[in-house]
Amino acid sequence: EIVLTQSPGTLSLSPGERATLSCRASQSVSSSYLAWYQQKPGQAPRLLIYSASSRATGIPDRFSGSGSGTDFTLTITRLEPEDFAVYYCQQSDKSPRTFGQGTKVEIK
Amino acid sequence: EVQLVESGGGLVQPGGSLRLSCAASGFTFSSYAMSWVRQAPGKGLEWVSAISGSGSTTYYADSVKGRFTISRDNSQNTQYLQMNSLRAEDTAVYFCAKRACSTTGCADDYWGQGAQVTVSS
Repeated sequence: EIVLTQSPGTLSLSPGERATLSCRASQSVSSSYLAWYQQKPGQAPRLLIYSASSRATGIPDRFSGSGSGTDFTLTITRLEPEDFAVYYCQQSDKSPRTFGQGTKVEIK
Repeated sequence: EVQLVESGGGLVQPGGSLRLSCAASGFTFSSYAMSWVRQAPGKGLEWVSAISGSGSTTYYADSVKGRFTISRDNSQNTQYLQMNSLRAEDTAVYFCAKRACSTTGCADDYWGQGAQVTVSS
């Protein structure tokens, strides 16, 4: 199965700062099937980015995704208070679908 | 408005069975593949199973293969997860998710709020 490794595990930043989250795959993943999700405590995941770089409906443009092959990045240009959460990447290119272990973005 | 509502969770003894349901509304249910994803307490997300829009094709994680069965009733706009031979490690919140595909790719665009399943004696 494709293993997705997210780094860092925790990112401590202040509101207004830039966040850069990494997702590395153990083998090449089609960009069409790489997505990013945000999850807050007690809530369901929310789709942020699909096809590696396309923002989902209603997602602010401070969120952007990039990458291809085995290296993908989620960038939040200016952190808002509501952006502090856990972020997961997911590949659905090959079965079984897999998620990264998550990156927690916390308030510094 | 798309809505996914899970039900059927609860406390079950090891070796027991449970059936989860996910009632969908706000979209043409039969046109979309669906998934189940779970999250153990304090842990990350784990994909469990998926089913095509027609129900003819199913997929399972190795951890549940042979014990769980995914199905759907398009006339009732509902998908199911039949869970047999439950183990303590199946304890988790189970999320139902709708899969959307565009010309550029696919992802799970809507999620339910989850159903708690606890396997314990």
